[in-house]
Amino acid sequence: QSALTQPASVSGSPGQSITISCTGTSSDVGAYNYVSWYQQHPGKAPKLLIYDVSNRPSGVSNRFSGSKSGNTASLTISGLLAEDEADYYCSSYTKNAPPYVFGTGTKVTVL
Amino acid sequence: EVQLVQSGAEVKKPGESLKISCKGSGYSFTNYWIGWVRQMPGKGLEWMGIIYPLNSDTRYSPSFQGQVSISADRSINTAYLQWNTLKATDTAMYYCASAKAGNYYWDYWGQGTLLTVSS
Repeated sequence: QSALTQPASVSGSPGQSITISCTGTSSDVGAYNYVSWYQQHPGKAPKLLIYDVSNRPSGVSNRFSGSKSGNTASLTISGLLAEDEADYYCSSYTKNAPPYVFGTGTKVTVL
Repeated sequence: EVQLVQSGAEVKKPGESLKISCKGSGYSFTNYWIGWVRQMPGKGLEWMGIIYPLNSDTRYSPSFQGQVSISADRSINTAYLQWNTLKATDTAMYYCASAKAGNYYWDYWGQGTLLTVSS
């Protein structure tokens, strides 16, 4: 079971927008609209940001948005803030065990 | 308030056994999947396996099949992750997370259990 592919790092200045990609296969990202995104600050547990490709849980800022095209999902952070500096992981339901897979993770740096 | 509370940090020796726990509260434990996630030092998140406490339906990632056991005791709203023979490479942070049956995302997470395996 291979991890979904994310860029290792993405950076941006405060106020800018950045996009993190998450590339899978026709067995996971491309097969289902069950992509979720998680934010993890150092030493903290992951936090759900986006579910079912583009939905935000209650309490999550509308600066976070998600989308998908084919086998690639994306997370966009608009109006970048210093507090957005963290690691971000995508996850998808998959036809294979267990049946979820994470992305490789992306470190976001706010310049 | 939904909470997942994990057992405390552990320091063990190679070859020892261990069972860590994840106790749910504030929701119907048997209607949610519990998943276990490994995060090795400085590395990313990895799904280890998931369990549905209502019927103990358990699914393992191929990488962890045979290496760990996942179980649940619905009478006390607690899920477990168990090793019979620990290795130094098991040193990691372990998180539990929950997903409501029918949902495909993990909206509640435990605080993590840090496991250190060293001779």
